[in-house]
Amino acid sequence: NAGVMQNPRHLVRRRGQEARLRCSPMKGHSHVYWYRQLPEEGLKFMVYLQKENIIDESGMPKERFSAEFPKEGPSILRIQQVVRGDSAAYFCASSPGTGAHGYTFGSGTRLTVV
Amino acid sequence: DAKTTQPPSMDCAEGRAANLPCNHSTISGNEYVYWYRQIHSQGPQYIIHGLKNNETNEMASLIITEDRKSSTLILPHATLRDTAVYYCIIDPPRGYGNKLVFGAGTILRVKS
Repeated sequence: NAGVMQNPRHLVRRRGQEARLRCSPMKGHSHVYWYRQLPEEGLKFMVYLQKENIIDESGMPKERFSAEFPKEGPSILRIQQVVRGDSAAYFCASSPGTGAHGYTFGSGTRLTVV
Repeated sequence: DAKTTQPPSMDCAEGRAANLPCNHSTISGNEYVYWYRQIHSQGPQYIIHGLKNNETNEMASLIITEDRKSSTLILPHATLRDTAVYYCIIDPPRGYGNKLVFGAGTILRVKS
């Protein structure tokens, strides 16, 4: 039973390029959450999605960032025109969304913008 | 969302019990107390959660005061691999927003 899979583990992008981060939730989990962790800082919530729906995007920057969780395939966090300040670890978590269950986190994608 | 207060750091000797406190004086009656930890550069790992009663699993014990305004996570025999940032999080039941909100946590250093 595979856990939450994130890829790539490490991603290097030049300023102005696009970054695409993928997250495959645990089997049976239909709720996905994205978090960002800047160097030496805590985890900050970005967005919560269910299949084909964005439920809460209160933590998403207003520009350049978008997320989706299509009916088929992984959830995608997309960052357009990356800047050095986007360099961070991006973690995805999933949950079954029923009852008071904890979340399962992936190992993260470390984005470095050069 | 209920806020939590944790000490910024703690030290513990290897093999001894590590007791990590958390204050959550504004917790509501239907909100759970969750504990996660993050070992350096890894994704957060679920440890334990509880509502009113004390809980125990293979990783830790959770002691919640009767008024529910504070709790303590206990690692009974800390090892060097338990060195991590420990987060106490108040989580509303499903349908109330769902997202986990992480604070600064407590850096636990287990020393030999």
